Amino acid sequence: QSVLTQPPSASGTPGQSVTISCSGSNSNIGRDYVYWYQQLPGTAPKLLIYKNDQRPSGVPDRFSGSKSGTSASLAISGLRSEDEADYYCAVWDDSLSGWVFGGGTKLTVL
Amino acid sequence: EVQLVESGGGLVQPGGSLKLSCAASGFTFSDHFMDWVRQAPGRGLEWVGRTADTHNNYITRYAASVRGRFTISRDNSENSLYLQMNSLKSEDTAVYYCTTEGLTGRSNGFDFWGQGTLVTVSS
Repeated sequence: QSVLTQPPSASGTPGQSVTISCSGSNSNIGRDYVYWYQQLPGTAPKLLIYKNDQRPSGVPDRFSGSKSGTSASLAISGLRSEDEADYYCAVWDDSLSGWVFGGGTKLTVL
Repeated sequence: EVQLVESGGGLVQPGGSLKLSCAASGFTFSDHFMDWVRQAPGRGLEWVGRTADTHNNYITRYAASVRGRFTISRDNSENSLYLQMNSLKSEDTAVYYCTTEGLTGRSNGFDFWGQGTLVTVSS
């Protein structure tokens, strides 16, 4: 049981938009930055969004992050086949004094 | 170019020990937080622990699931990060990733990852 709750799966067709949610609490999302990681099949995770809504260099602007209260979201617009991957949210948890990850969302591009 | 290369994974019996290494290059190793993150087969990501940078006296923190059994250390002269794992359990079976934390800027997350090394705990 993860401290952060994500839907286990999401899907969309090429060109569509999809949103992945991440629900936490006042000890984590409610008080600190949220991060999103993309893990393509068979590869190491990659930083996708940092500090709630910032994109590292090289990440397309089709990816965007937001946060409100104790929840956060990752939005992907103009879905492409190469977006098919697992997506994880992460945040520092003050109560646990450590990083926590969501359980991950498997995105399928139909 | 930032590179992180893990090594030391393998098969170990329950109750045994193993030490993982992560060779870092392309940045000033001593100036940055470093973390270990693991992923059990077919499962999600789990933070294992971290060592702070020189400005924070290399303080270490651990996930509750490994505290007291795992120890993170670093050798700044060798630009290397280590994970000593003792009293291993079957549930420690996972790919272990070495990551930088905030290398590109304060609070920038796990911004670089190694390729991972597989640890299998089984009799």
